[in-house]
Amino acid sequence: DQQVKQNSPSLSVQEGRISILNCDYTNSMFDYFLWYKKYPAEGPTFLISISSIKDKNEDGRFTVFLNKSAKHLSLHIVPSQPGDSAVYFCAASAGDMRFGAGTRLTVKP
Amino acid sequence: ETGVTQTPRHLVMGMTNKKSLKCEQHLGHNAMYWYKQSAKKPLELMFVYSLEERVENNSVPSRFSPECPNSSHLFLHLHTLQPEDSALYLCASSQDYQGLNSPLHFGNGTRLTVT
Repeated sequence: DQQVKQNSPSLSVQEGRISILNCDYTNSMFDYFLWYKKYPAEGPTFLISISSIKDKNEDGRFTVFLNKSAKHLSLHIVPSQPGDSAVYFCAASAGDMRFGAGTRLTVKP
Repeated sequence: ETGVTQTPRHLVMGMTNKKSLKCEQHLGHNAMYWYKQSAKKPLELMFVYSLEERVENNSVPSRFSPECPNSSHLFLHLHTLQPEDSALYLCASSQDYQGLNSPLHFGNGTRLTVT
């Protein structure tokens, strides 16, 4: 039972443009949502989070949007940089944290 | 040293071997976790320890045996594994178990290959 889904396994974006990574969830009890970034040969690192009482949270170039009615979460990176190339995991928690399968972002110079 | 440290980084073992994965966190966190990451699959939660007590075991086969001797250390003992157990095993910690605004901090993982 995959409660958190990232339907795009990969995304390619030109440097300087916006990257939009999407995530859908099924459990309406989730109240805390996170994005993690993973480089090869490293563990995932926490990037940004949002609680269910908000619909937007911004941290520098990274903004997370939450649409509770659609059970949809997105991460916007603007402007995208080559160093942002990594696998991005979304996660959701109602206690235990559930992860999506990840989206590989490639930012081309 | 800071963060979450896992050893070894790579491990190759036969199906009859016994080995252990080690995790150490230097963050003063109260909860520690073992996750399994298989190719193109979501991270799977295996075990959770909160304040050195096991609080979750997600139907993990008994050939995986966790141990948490103190709040900073977590082990995963492996014996008679199967080739399908080959995966990246990630250790993580968080300030509190099931705490709001308590993100996980991951180690770099152990890449396990079972031959």
